[in-house]
Amino acid sequence: ILNVEQSPQSLHVQEGDSTNFTCSFPSSNFYALHWYRWETAKSPEALFVMTLNGDEKKKGRISATLNTKEGYSYLYIKGSQPEDSATYLCAFIGGGSYIPTFGRGTSLIVHP
Amino acid sequence: DADVTQTPRNRITKTGKRIMLECSQTKGHDRMYWYRQDPGLGLRLIYYSFDVKDINKGEISDGYSVSRQAQAKFSLSLESAIPNQTALYFCATSDGDGTDTQYFGPGTRLTVL
Repeated sequence: ILNVEQSPQSLHVQEGDSTNFTCSFPSSNFYALHWYRWETAKSPEALFVMTLNGDEKKKGRISATLNTKEGYSYLYIKGSQPEDSATYLCAFIGGGSYIPTFGRGTSLIVHP
Repeated sequence: DADVTQTPRNRITKTGKRIMLECSQTKGHDRMYWYRQDPGLGLRLIYYSFDVKDINKGEISDGYSVSRQAQAKFSLSLESAIPNQTALYFCATSDGDGTDTQYFGPGTRLTVL
């Protein structure tokens, strides 16, 4: 079982704050790293997929970076809005099995 | 219409009963997956199938079985349900394009009394 860790487990911020959280994964046999956004009472939806060391992806106020050599990815949210409240999941795909291993998620609550 | 559908959406059953959760997809993907989500534990893989003739156990397959009836259908069975199988179950598909983005169904909330 691969070790994919996300921190913090939960986060409360005020509207307008910028925030970031971390996904740590095995630094060997990397294939891809996914970020998903999971709103309450809905299904997880894909945000980003990153495959190359140094990748940076951006979608609106949300961006992500990837360091495969040290085994971590950061997700940043600039100017958080209440609609950003969700659980953010990362999923590591290793080159051996090609199946995703999910972290436990970071629950973000943005207060108006 | 949703690309990945699950039935039922909610189910309450009793210990020892057999139950089947069904998943259908219209995305044309070969790969299908069953996950369970428990509070604080994230998504854990139960079974996955890369094509109709390929079935593989995931991290937590004990107590579960699956059937891939067609490219579009992947069913999960609990042969004799027990209370610690109470969870939210998700079906997902991916296109096997290399990065394997997962597309999730709406989930089935199962309660075993």
